[in-house]
Amino acid sequence: GNSVTQMEGPVTLSEEAFLTINCTYTATGYPSLFWYVQYPGEGLQLLLKATKADDKGSNKGFEATYRKETTSFHLEKGSVQVSDSAVYFCALSSGGSNYKLTFGKGTLLTVNP
Amino acid sequence: DAGITQSPRHKVTETGTPVTLRCHQTENHRYMYWYRQDPGHGLRLIHYSYGVKDTDKGEVSDGYSVSRSKTEDFLLTLESATSSQTSVYFCAIGGSGNQHEQYFGPGTRLTVT
Repeated sequence: GNSVTQMEGPVTLSEEAFLTINCTYTATGYPSLFWYVQYPGEGLQLLLKATKADDKGSNKGFEATYRKETTSFHLEKGSVQVSDSAVYFCALSSGGSNYKLTFGKGTLLTVNP
Repeated sequence: DAGITQSPRHKVTETGTPVTLRCHQTENHRYMYWYRQDPGHGLRLIHYSYGVKDTDKGEVSDGYSVSRSKTEDFLLTLESATSSQTSVYFCAIGGSGNQHEQYFGPGTRLTVT
């Protein structure tokens, strides 16, 4: 079956530091890959996505590249801000007729001023 | 933002009582999903619907039932709530053509005492 493994947190950084959150996956076929962000007390928001190998998703300074050879989709940001403090989820959809998503367990990021 | 609302947003109930959570969308999406979020588990799919009166089980469906009598409403029922069902419940919509991403509601925090 499908699975997503992401680095366990919590991750604590200082403002303007470089961020990497690792995500690897197991799936059949050619999945679509996603990063979602959850701010305290809110639902999940789609941050970025990639639908095929070597695609780079980007949004709000965050980037992730779909690496089929390493089955990875690591999230990066060059300079984090306090407002980036949130829980980040990696997810995949392997297609089919139900569009179900499989999520990683989430990584809590705290950015200190 | 996708037009998804959940009600109630918070609920405290006693063990053994029935509980129904409502998800309402204004986007006319065919697919709707119910997840639960628990620490250390990420999001896990409970049930999903692929049309009016068409539903199927997810990975943690025991103790839950769903109904969808209209495109815009997807109800999750706990027939006899247990303490293990204390969680945050999220509704999501999405999945169409080649677009696999889902959009989430604000969540319902349920406490079973």
